[in-house]
Amino acid sequence: DAGVIQSPRHEVTEMGQEVTLRCKPISGHNSLFWYRQTMMRGLELLIYFNNNVPIDDSGMPEDRFSAKMPNASFSTLKIQPSEPRDSAVYFCASSLRDSAGELFFGEGSRLTVL
Amino acid sequence: AQSVTQLDSHVSVSEGTPVLLRCNYSSSYSPSLFWYVQHPNKGLQLLLKYTSAATLVKGINGFEAEFKKSETSFHLTKPSAHMSDAAEYFCVVSARGFQKLVFGTGTRLLVSP
Repeated sequence: DAGVIQSPRHEVTEMGQEVTLRCKPISGHNSLFWYRQTMMRGLELLIYFNNNVPIDDSGMPEDRFSAKMPNASFSTLKIQPSEPRDSAVYFCASSLRDSAGELFFGEGSRLTVL
Repeated sequence: AQSVTQLDSHVSVSEGTPVLLRCNYSSSYSPSLFWYVQHPNKGLQLLLKYTSAATLVKGINGFEAEFKKSETSFHLTKPSAHMSDAAEYFCVVSARGFQKLVFGTGTRLLVSP
């Protein structure tokens, strides 16, 4: 079975540009998470969805970040405008709602903002 | 609130020797505890989890961890290290049944021949 699929794997952009990261969760999973990983701050939960509905977005750094889940098989994380401090690896993970904590991670999208 | 402290940022072992990665936790509620592993340039993978059953938990690839409430610890062990075990390991806590996970800062395991 396919795991969590993220795209792009690598993105290099210039400050001020819009960035869109994409995620396809594992089929049948009803929870989806976006995490950010940096050397300084480690792994941070940005937002998570249950049944396509955002449950907790308290980790979203600021209004420049937005996330959507239009259907059960697709989610996006958008940064507009991007800044150098947004450089990080962004992970998408999915799970079954009733298996709290058992997350399946994608391989991540490495974002570099120049 | 929940938090975890991974006591070592790096651990170096020789192949074939035991592995011990230390983790202490703090939780206002009955905790669920997890260990995740991250190989270079990869996503995280669940190694094992503790929810409320047996305090000694067995995971994949020969790893196990023991929940010790009196010591608020959840250390990860493996009897014999393999080269393929070289990776970053994260101790994770959540309030039982809750979806928000709190990750530790990670321990990098180095395995030498």
